[in-house]
Amino acid sequence: QQQVKQSPQSLIVQKGGISIINCAYENTAFDYFPWYQQFPGKGPALLIAIRPDVSEKKEGRFTISFNKSAKQFSLHIMDSQPGDSATYFCAASIGEYGNKLVFGAGTILRVKS
Amino acid sequence: DVKVTQSSRYLVKRTGEKVFLECVQDMDHENMFWYRQDPGLGLRLIYFSYDVKMKEKGDIPEGYSVSREKKERFSLILESASTNQTSMYLCASSSGVGSYEQYFGPGTRLTVT
Repeated sequence: QQQVKQSPQSLIVQKGGISIINCAYENTAFDYFPWYQQFPGKGPALLIAIRPDVSEKKEGRFTISFNKSAKQFSLHIMDSQPGDSATYFCAASIGEYGNKLVFGAGTILRVKS
Repeated sequence: DVKVTQSSRYLVKRTGEKVFLECVQDMDHENMFWYRQDPGLGLRLIYFSYDVKMKEKGDIPEGYSVSREKKERFSLILESASTNQTSMYLCASSSGVGSYEQYFGPGTRLTVT
């Protein structure tokens, strides 16, 4: 049973367009919501993260939107570039011992030039 | 820079063999994790450790065990490898002190024939 549901599974966007990936969760005890980016042959790396006390966080072209009441959060990539082509994972954590993360299934993003 | 290294990038083993996957981190992190990554399933936590010689089961521990004799090293053991353990295995570490960020190694692609 997946505690964090991610969609879509794959996404193709034109260069310069906006990429949007969505995640939904059930456990209201989650208190940290990161997005990880993974390039082929590499391990995932933290891209951006948010806590539930804010509704939006922006870092460069990457924005997380967080809707606590709907238990949803999303990643927006503005002005998408071919170099953004990667697999993106959303995740959530309760912050108990070890700070475990629960990951979504991943979205394969391809940005066409 | 945090560095997490894994002993092998690719490994081919036969059914029934005992398999050791090694992970080393160089940042004195408290927490270490083992995940497996499968298409459409994201990253699933196998085991994690929040201190030397301490270990906790993750979501899919069956068929696996772990060892953490030193703070920097976390080993994943497949006691008797089976074909359904063919997967990408990722090791990660986190500081455990006010930080949820996990740093991942490049992964080991294990094939069990």
